[in-house]
Amino acid sequence: QKEVEQDPGPLSVPEGAIVSLNCTYSNSAFQYFMWYRQYSRKGPELLMYTYSSGNKEDGRFTAQVDKSSKYISLFIRDSQPSDSATYLCAMTPRTSYDKVIFGPGTSLSVIP
Amino acid sequence: KAGVTQTPRYLIKTRGQQVTLSCSPISGHRSVSWYQQTPGQGLQFLFEYFSETQRNKGNFPGRFSGRQFSNSRSEMNVSTLELGDSALYLCASSLVTSWDEQFFGPGTRLTVL
Repeated sequence: QKEVEQDPGPLSVPEGAIVSLNCTYSNSAFQYFMWYRQYSRKGPELLMYTYSSGNKEDGRFTAQVDKSSKYISLFIRDSQPSDSATYLCAMTPRTSYDKVIFGPGTSLSVIP
Repeated sequence: KAGVTQTPRYLIKTRGQQVTLSCSPISGHRSVSWYQQTPGQGLQFLFEYFSETQRNKGNFPGRFSGRQFSNSRSEMNVSTLELGDSALYLCASSLVTSWDEQFFGPGTRLTVL
């Protein structure tokens, strides 16, 4: 079993839809959770990060963490064609110099 | 400020050859991490360098190696290339640790024939 699992894609939604992207993890030591977005032919870029269980909002994006279930989600409201990209969850214990573990990514297409 | 640069952007090699990839981090960033990205496995951590020392290593064979120079620029080397080494190799720089915000380069697309 991989340390971080992510919903397989590709995911295709109409413009304006609410998108839910999800990851599960097995290592209870993970304390710091991130979402990266990767456009085609580009490197990933950090979208959001959170330390604690609960919700964190940033514009149309909401990151949700449930440590008891080892489950994190990213919600995108009013999705736009420019949101079409691969979304990667990432996490780390954030102690000493721990490495960051990435999920395999979910490819999202928002259709105009 | 200038972003992370990686050279070359594309490489085609044959099995058994070796290859060296280069990464120039953002000015002031001292941590450089390398990742391999493939459709099947996603983004897998290769190693991290800080102050010219390897600080962390992923589960890759010894054919994969790297180094960091005093100006924080980093190189990774793959010897005795195998078909399965075909991937996008991404370099990420961050201020001090790999869990500070990582800024990724565009990657080097390596194809092994």
